[in-house]
Amino acid sequence: NAGVTQTPKFQVLKTGQSMTLQCAQDMNHNSMYWYRQDPGMGLRLIYYSASEGTTDKGEVPNGYNVSRLNKREFSLRLESAAPSQTSVYFCASSPQTRLVAASYNEQFFGPGTRLTVL
Amino acid sequence: AQSVTQPDIHITVSEGASLELRCNYSYGATPYLFWYVQSPGQGLQLLLKYFSGDTLVQGIKGFEAEFKRSQSSFNLRKPSVHWSDAAEYFCAVGPQYSNYQLIWGAGTKLIIKP
Repeated sequence: NAGVTQTPKFQVLKTGQSMTLQCAQDMNHNSMYWYRQDPGMGLRLIYYSASEGTTDKGEVPNGYNVSRLNKREFSLRLESAAPSQTSVYFCASSPQTRLVAASYNEQFFGPGTRLTVL
Repeated sequence: AQSVTQPDIHITVSEGASLELRCNYSYGATPYLFWYVQSPGQGLQLLLKYFSGDTLVQGIKGFEAEFKRSQSSFNLRKPSVHWSDAAEYFCAVGPQYSNYQLIWGAGTKLIIKP
């Protein structure tokens, strides 16, 4: 099993350009997440998808869109990149299925995408 | 508002010495608590988690953490660190009835002196 994979690993964009970050998991997980990681700020949730066909905003959704293409894939799109979106982006997945305590499961992370917007 | 505080940005420890990384949270009820580790250039990996029961939890790689409700803390410990433990460590908190969101601390970078 590859776990959670992300492409690309590195990307440099100019302000105003668009791009899509790809994420796929082969663990048959229901939930998937996109985070950004900035120095001194830990991880901040951008969007998540509790199941195929659903997406919800996280803490910092502005400037991003997501698509849960199927159970395996969850993409993150920057329509018009800004320097403030320079960050490391992590995708994660979890088997979590229900909003009840007993099913709170760990999240499995991809290796990250380092994005620089000039 | 809910928050997680890791007061130490960096910690330097000699190889073989003991380690304690601090984590404090602010939340109205007992949350679910997690410690993750991020090795350089890698994604995050779960070290251990606390949901309920025994307040001392054991994790992978010889780590343990103790939940202290009275102090709203969940400190991570290891009796003897190895050079391979050099990494960044993140504490995270999740509400018991979750909307799937975790609240993350800013991380503590562990440096190992030979």
